[in-house]
Amino acid sequence: KNEVEQSPQNLTAQEGEFITINCSYSVGISALHWLQQHPGGGIVSLFMLSSGKKKHGRLIATINIQEKHSSLHITASHPRDSAVYICAVMLNYGGSQGNLIFGKGTKLSVKP
Amino acid sequence: KAGVTQTPRYLIKTRGQQVTLSCSPISGHRSVSWYQQTPGQGLQFLFEYFSETQRNKGNFPGRFSGRQFSNSRSEMNVSTLELGDSALYLCASSTSGANVLTFGAGSRLTVL
Repeated sequence: KNEVEQSPQNLTAQEGEFITINCSYSVGISALHWLQQHPGGGIVSLFMLSSGKKKHGRLIATINIQEKHSSLHITASHPRDSAVYICAVMLNYGGSQGNLIFGKGTKLSVKP
Repeated sequence: KAGVTQTPRYLIKTRGQQVTLSCSPISGHRSVSWYQQTPGQGLQFLFEYFSETQRNKGNFPGRFSGRQFSNSRSEMNVSTLELGDSALYLCASSTSGANVLTFGAGSRLTVL
């Protein structure tokens, strides 16, 4: 079982729709990142969360540490939001070898 | 403010050769981490350097190594290349490793 699970794997939406991408994890973490990757490979960090909720423009990220779950919401989606969205958890430093563990990503396509 | 610069952007090597990739972080960022991205495995953490010291290491064989210089620039080296090493290699920098990451555009390695 993967330590970081994202759903859905693929998502097609119409322009203007409200979008939710989910991330569940099974390990102790110190923080969670939401990343955006466009075709060509470049990755942009959208949010880093350790608790609560953050908002940036049309993007909202929430995390529930007790339930080990985070969501990324996109309001009023636009074709330029089409990308792969990746959830990554930062392990607690004590006793861990890794820094970030990544989900497999959610490929979002927003149609005009 | 210049971003994270990775060189070279593209390279082709043959099996058995070695390769060195370079990453120049954002000025003032002391943490540099490296990641491998393949279609099959997705993104995987390689290692993290902070103030010239390797702070964390992922589950990769000893053929993968890295170092960080006093100006925070980092290099990673892969020796005895295998076909499976073909991947996009990304580096990211941050002020301390526990903060928001800024990614470079990546170095795409093809091993023939």
